[in-house]
Amino acid sequence: SQTIHQWPATLVQPVGSPLSLECTVEGTSNPNLYWYRQAAGRGLQLLFYSVGIGQISSEVPQNLSASRPQDRQFILSSKKLLLSDSGFYLCAWSVYPGGQPQHFGDGTRLSIL
Amino acid sequence: QQQVKQSPQSLIVQKGGISIINCAYENTAFDYFPWYQQFPGKGPALLIAIRPDVSEKKEGRFTISFNKSAKQFSLHIMDSQPGDSATYFCAASMEARGGNKLTFGTGTQLKVEL
Repeated sequence: SQTIHQWPATLVQPVGSPLSLECTVEGTSNPNLYWYRQAAGRGLQLLFYSVGIGQISSEVPQNLSASRPQDRQFILSSKKLLLSDSGFYLCAWSVYPGGQPQHFGDGTRLSIL
Repeated sequence: QQQVKQSPQSLIVQKGGISIINCAYENTAFDYFPWYQQFPGKGPALLIAIRPDVSEKKEGRFTISFNKSAKQFSLHIMDSQPGDSATYFCAASMEARGGNKLTFGTGTQLKVEL
């Protein structure tokens, strides 16, 4: 069966520091991968999605970037964190080429001080 | 046109009652409508989903009702239990080059009281 892992589960970072969040999927090949951000009391906002290695599409302009160095690995990064980057970051996968549903990891709670 | 509007924001239901959450959309190109359940500190988990070629789908105590002409769909939870207390999100997506992207509603916090 397929599983999705995100780490770390929680992270506290100072303003201006770099960020790297990692997501890996097991049990499937060539998945679509997604990064979402969930603000408190809000819905999920799609940040990035990828349909293959090195292929990244950005949904909203922001202080973050994403990379997919391997088939089942998706990384969310920032060079300098802002206070507004605080939130709950969720990774998801779906079957390629665009199948549903999307399956979510348990997220990373990021707090910026 | 990409928005999905969800109501109510919060809901309190007595144990054994029916919980109803509503969503509305504008984009008629949407062709897949899932509902997700999220517990605190966890990622959303798919609960049930429907495509617009059917008007209702039932899985256990959970039912989606879909009204294509009104561009509305709703989640009904029958015999609501305290364990159903969670945040529920509706979403919509359409076939798109590069992968189906979900547009989420803003969520409903459900509390089921004894």
